[in-house]
Amino acid sequence: DAMVIQNPRYQVTQFGKPVTLSCSQTLNHNVMYWYQQKSSQAPKLLFHYYDKDFNNEADTPDNFQSRRPNTSFCFLDIRSPGLGDAAMYLCATSFGSVQYFGPGTRLTVL
Amino acid sequence: KQEVTQIPAALSVPEGENLVLNCSFTDSAIYNLQWFRQDPGKGLTSLLLIQSSQREQTSGRLNASLDKSSGRSTLYIAASQPGDSATYLCAVRGMNSGYSTLTFGKGTMLLVSP
Repeated sequence: DAMVIQNPRYQVTQFGKPVTLSCSQTLNHNVMYWYQQKSSQAPKLLFHYYDKDFNNEADTPDNFQSRRPNTSFCFLDIRSPGLGDAAMYLCATSFGSVQYFGPGTRLTVL
Repeated sequence: KQEVTQIPAALSVPEGENLVLNCSFTDSAIYNLQWFRQDPGKGLTSLLLIQSSQREQTSGRLNASLDKSSGRSTLYIAASQPGDSATYLCAVRGMNSGYSTLTFGKGTMLLVSP
């Protein structure tokens, strides 16, 4: 029944070592989002796709990239993770007003 | 730039109490406001969505109200239970931001003790 799936749930990487987080959806929604959420903070939007149209938030660091090869999948690439990138990364989808969130990937940077 | 504030940041109540969580936003030009629940280390679950033309929405023991002109929303939880313990976030979809993007508050962490 899982509708928005994120893998892995927990990811440990080393400082500067590239990492990719993945998100898939079974809802066939046209919009997908990536959020970063640090402890006790509000989720912060990094990017979103409206179909294949990529929208980058103005303050998203260049270190973060995203790919959406098809409707179902979306990837978040962190090219050179720093200690400050340790956070929960949330993927979401929407078709209309309501956003549906995945369980998140907790990223630890050593 | 839209800013969303939630008060209080944390709340601890005994089981059975009725409680109110507050959310305020600075730009009243919104499409809708959404309340979410987040359990520790988990993703967000949508609880209620209020369109800008609506005043309130109800789901079970939850009631959310919206006063767009004053930039405020409240989430009322009746007869609280230990299972209600979680962080509650509100988010607004603004007309002056990107299509369908949400601006979140930091949340209210609720603890309901037996």
